[in-house]
Amino acid sequence: KAGVTQTPRYLIKTRGQQVTLSCSPISGHRSVSWYQQTPGQGLQFLFEYFSETQRNKGNFPGRFSGRQFSNSRSEMNVSTLELGDSALYLCASSFQTGNDEQYFGPGTRLTVT
Amino acid sequence: GENVEQHPSTLSVQEGDSAVIKCTYSDSASNYFPWYKQELGKRPQLIIDIRSNVGEKKDQRIAVTLNKTAKHFSLHITETQPEDSAVYFCAASYGGGAGSYQLTFGKGTKLSVIP
Repeated sequence: KAGVTQTPRYLIKTRGQQVTLSCSPISGHRSVSWYQQTPGQGLQFLFEYFSETQRNKGNFPGRFSGRQFSNSRSEMNVSTLELGDSALYLCASSFQTGNDEQYFGPGTRLTVT
Repeated sequence: GENVEQHPSTLSVQEGDSAVIKCTYSDSASNYFPWYKQELGKRPQLIIDIRSNVGEKKDQRIAVTLNKTAKHFSLHITETQPEDSAVYFCAASYGGGAGSYQLTFGKGTKLSVIP
């Protein structure tokens, strides 16, 4: 099976702009979770989607949002970008829940200038 | 919510020696504990996991142990090789309600295996 894919791999944006990142899960996987990885805070949970519904959300401001499509592909959106949003954004797919094995994509490296 | 502490933050071992990384968690309801290996510039890779109904699990040179009473779990790597050099993350699965779970990660351990 093909692994988890994410596009784009790299992005450079300026403060105030918005960005949309995409994640395609492993075929057959219905749960997609998003994480932010930074050197200071490590890996932090953003949200989880299952069957086009957000089931869980981490402690991030409302500028971070996402959605999931009927084919399980997911997007996350960050509006009004801040310098502190610079990070590696990782998505992970699992069969049904976050309690199943989660497999990560390669990530999108977002740089905000 | 869940809190996961991971130690040490850095670990250097000679090739062939063993490496042990320890994690503690706070929520006794957590029941799934995966370990990930992340090489520089690469995605986190699931290397082994354990569920709360099991005390130990092995896969070739790596093993994980879980002590539910003490709420800690450990990763053991034997006969370390230079390619084991990476950052290792532990995580605990925490129920968010409505059938949802989320992984809470430790801060990571940078393992260096010296040839």
